[in-house]
Amino acid sequence: AQSVTQLDSQVPVFEEAPVELRCNYSSSVSVYLFWYVQYPNQGLQLLLKYLSGSTLVKGINGFEAEFNKSQTSFHLRKPSVHISDTAEYFCAVTRTGGGNKLTFGTGTQLKVEL
Amino acid sequence: DTGVSQDPRHKITKRGQNVTFRCDPISEHNRLYWYRQTLGQGPEFLTYFQNEAQLEKSRLLSDRFSAERPKGSFSTLEIQRTEQGDSAMYLCASSPSGQVIQPQHFGDGTRLSIL
Repeated sequence: AQSVTQLDSQVPVFEEAPVELRCNYSSSVSVYLFWYVQYPNQGLQLLLKYLSGSTLVKGINGFEAEFNKSQTSFHLRKPSVHISDTAEYFCAVTRTGGGNKLTFGTGTQLKVEL
Repeated sequence: DTGVSQDPRHKITKRGQNVTFRCDPISEHNRLYWYRQTLGQGPEFLTYFQNEAQLEKSRLLSDRFSAERPKGSFSTLEIQRTEQGDSAMYLCASSPSGQVIQPQHFGDGTRLSIL
């Protein structure tokens, strides 16, 4: 079985500052990793994914994440945040087989302040 | 690509009543997933279909819950004899199947409130 840990439940940051949202996973097999964003009263929107290849992946809205197998991490970063980035961010993991069901972390609330 | 559609968006009902939610996936997606999200938590897997076959059910899915996808297109999730603990956001997602992992596309969810 796999699991995901998002240690930071809330991250406050000023507009135009950089931000990093942390995600660590555990699994006994090779995994595939995702970051999703959720705005209030909406579903989840895919930000980016790591399936294979380059460990640095770029996503929408200027976000990027780096897969680190030795540290079992997949941290999300953005060099300069905007007010509109205020939302809940979820890290998720899946593996081949088993229908590719996703296991999510508990989420990190990013609050961008002026 | 019209996206994943869920209906209703909100449902308020009294404890003990039955409720049914509908999900229309992206048309060319043959996999359909149901997740449940409670306040302050990430979504938790409930069940998934490949075409019309329900291939896996989570232990979270008690015998009061039933899901169907009769023609391999839309799906319904029914909860019988609702309880306070069923209050949550119910999310539907769809994806293609294949050799390569495909990201799941989510609907906006149905928020269920039990009075």
